[in-house]
Amino acid sequence: QVTLKESGPALVKPTQTLTLTCTFSGFSLSTTGMRVSWIRQPPGKALEWLARIDWDDDKFYSTSLKTRLTISKDTSKNQVVLTMTNMDPVDTATYYCARTKPGSGWTFEYWGQGTLVTVSS
Amino acid sequence: SSELTQDPAVSVALGQTVRITCQGDSLRNYYASWYQQKPGQAPVLVIYGKDNRPSGIPDRFSGSSSGNTGSLTITGAQAEDEADYYCNSRDSSGDHVLFGGGTKLTVL
Repeated sequence: QVTLKESGPALVKPTQTLTLTCTFSGFSLSTTGMRVSWIRQPPGKALEWLARIDWDDDKFYSTSLKTRLTISKDTSKNQVVLTMTNMDPVDTATYYCARTKPGSGWTFEYWGQGTLVTVSS
Repeated sequence: SSELTQDPAVSVALGQTVRITCQGDSLRNYYASWYQQKPGQAPVLVIYGKDNRPSGIPDRFSGSSSGNTGSLTITGAQAEDEADYYCNSRDSSGDHVLFGGGTKLTVL
């Protein structure tokens, strides 16, 4: 059974760096074809893809946010970490991690429950 | 273009058929995936590939594609199908992921 769960601070101040952790089970990110992405959703708005890390440590970032994002994995801990620098109130959103179907880069088969991050002073 | 466009809102009478569409240049080369999201919940994959349903998704959900448009069809909509629906695909220029703006489906 595949599960993913996001964790991190519920509140960050403007200009701070956000660090989110996705802890998963039921698969290994060292297995060929496995990919994990971060996706966010501001309140009442659409989903927005942020970043992806693959089993071979390839990394991909949203063009509009790439200068602020870093994604990494710890295969031994079954974790994927996303950092986002220089947080702003517009970054207030529910942040999800999700695993794609093997062989696909964009079909998100499993999702975490999401974690709401509020950016406010 | 690196966008996917969806109608903001669609309504359907209970038991009738509704089609939700998603337009974008990348859909000429890649199939859309479709997600259902109910309030306060994470999205759920309902359709992917040419017309594939994950286990547990009712067969009233189906997908199709033509040109730059992907479609999600619900045949015999049920009250529990009322939700937001999002399409997504790969950006035609590389390994980036696109999401549509979402369609709010109301079942009357």
